[in-house]
Amino acid sequence: SQTIHQWPATLVQPVGSPLSLECTVEGTSNPNLYWYRQAAGRGLQLLFYSVGIGQISSEVPQNLSASRPQDRQFILSSKKLLLSDSGFYLCAWIDRVSYGRADQRGTDTQYFGPGTRLTVL
Amino acid sequence: ELKVEQNPLFLSMQEGKNYTIYCNYSTTSDRLYWYRQDPGKSLESLFVLLSNGAVKQEGRLMASLDTKARLSTLHITAAVHDLSATYFCAVVPNYGGSQGNLIFGKGTKLSVKP
Repeated sequence: SQTIHQWPATLVQPVGSPLSLECTVEGTSNPNLYWYRQAAGRGLQLLFYSVGIGQISSEVPQNLSASRPQDRQFILSSKKLLLSDSGFYLCAWIDRVSYGRADQRGTDTQYFGPGTRLTVL
Repeated sequence: ELKVEQNPLFLSMQEGKNYTIYCNYSTTSDRLYWYRQDPGKSLESLFVLLSNGAVKQEGRLMASLDTKARLSTLHITAAVHDLSATYFCAVVPNYGGSQGNLIFGKGTKLSVKP
């Protein structure tokens, strides 16, 4: 079975400090991977997605960057955190091979990790 | 730009009552998701609706999709306290370049009271 991990679970960082959040997926190969942020009062927003190693697409301009150094690893980073970077960061994946195929529609679910709660002070 | 609107945003129900949450979206999509989020927790997948007229049921929750009206509903039957949570709908747009990216509604915070 597939599982998704995020590390750390919670993080408190001062403004201007660097950031590195990690997401890893087990039990699947070549997934699409996503980073979302849930900020208070602003709902869930897609930040980045990746369809393969080294392939990153950014959805919104921001203070963050993402990397995918391995097939099942997705990293969210920042060189200098801002107060506005506080939020609940969620990693998600889908099985790209079967996504959208009519004969395997039961696997179209996008699964979310447990999340990292980041507070920037 | 795809917009997803949920209503109501807040819903206080009594146990045993029925209610419906609505999700409207602004552009074509044939892929709609419902998620549940408990306070401080991640998102739990409830339903994936992939075609016009799709209806899925799990326990006291039933979701439907009308792609022509660009509307999905989440119907709650005989609510119980355990259903208290925030419910999100999310849509994958049909436009080119989409890779399963979800556009979320703002969520409906449901509180079921005895």
